[in-house]
Amino acid sequence: ETGVTQTPRHLVMGMTNKKSLKCEQHLGHNAMYWYKQSAKKPLELMFVYSLEERVENNSVPSRFSPECPNSSHLFLHLHTLQPEDSALYLCASSHGQGATDTQYFGPGTRLTVL
Amino acid sequence: GQNIDQPTEMTATEGAIVQINCTYQTSGFNGLFWYQQHAGEAPTFLSYNVLDGLEEKGRFSSFLSRSKGYSYLLLKELQMKDSASYLCAGLDSNYQLIWGAGTKLIIKP
Repeated sequence: ETGVTQTPRHLVMGMTNKKSLKCEQHLGHNAMYWYKQSAKKPLELMFVYSLEERVENNSVPSRFSPECPNSSHLFLHLHTLQPEDSALYLCASSHGQGATDTQYFGPGTRLTVL
Repeated sequence: GQNIDQPTEMTATEGAIVQINCTYQTSGFNGLFWYQQHAGEAPTFLSYNVLDGLEEKGRFSSFLSRSKGYSYLLLKELQMKDSASYLCAGLDSNYQLIWGAGTKLIIKP
């Protein structure tokens, strides 16, 4: 596989469930990102990891918990979510965090919280 | 605060030209990106401008005016496959991307 992959592509969960989203990049990049994309709203940056260390956490509720075990994998652990958390969750990676480091996105996980 | 403004939706005709505008207000500026996102798919990189002027890549061109805080994406010879959302994003002084909400472009035959 090439590029950035995400699983699952679709997820429906209840508010009391615990689930995890997985992202894998095959590009040899050093930075990885989680974004939330809601309809007609700008992309919201949630977490940034650079060389497996978290460098950015934009005041995301604790019910979202990221994990970066190595530079190729990124997880987003979900628990006790709310219906307003329903959105498309996008993972991205880039070589670094510099100005010209283009971000490459995965196809996203469409999350529905009932 | 930081802000990116772009039209919510535009409609154009196959074979025509369309210009999608973007204005930005960021804390510092390290360039502006355009991404294309087809429905249900990942955003894909189109262009990056950091200097004033027009950069052309085939049917797509991107323009930047730093003094005006303004950019546009120009699409020529429109094809049906160009129907997508176009996302504008500015890179601030901390190298953080500030995203617009996207412009949904509808191409009609």
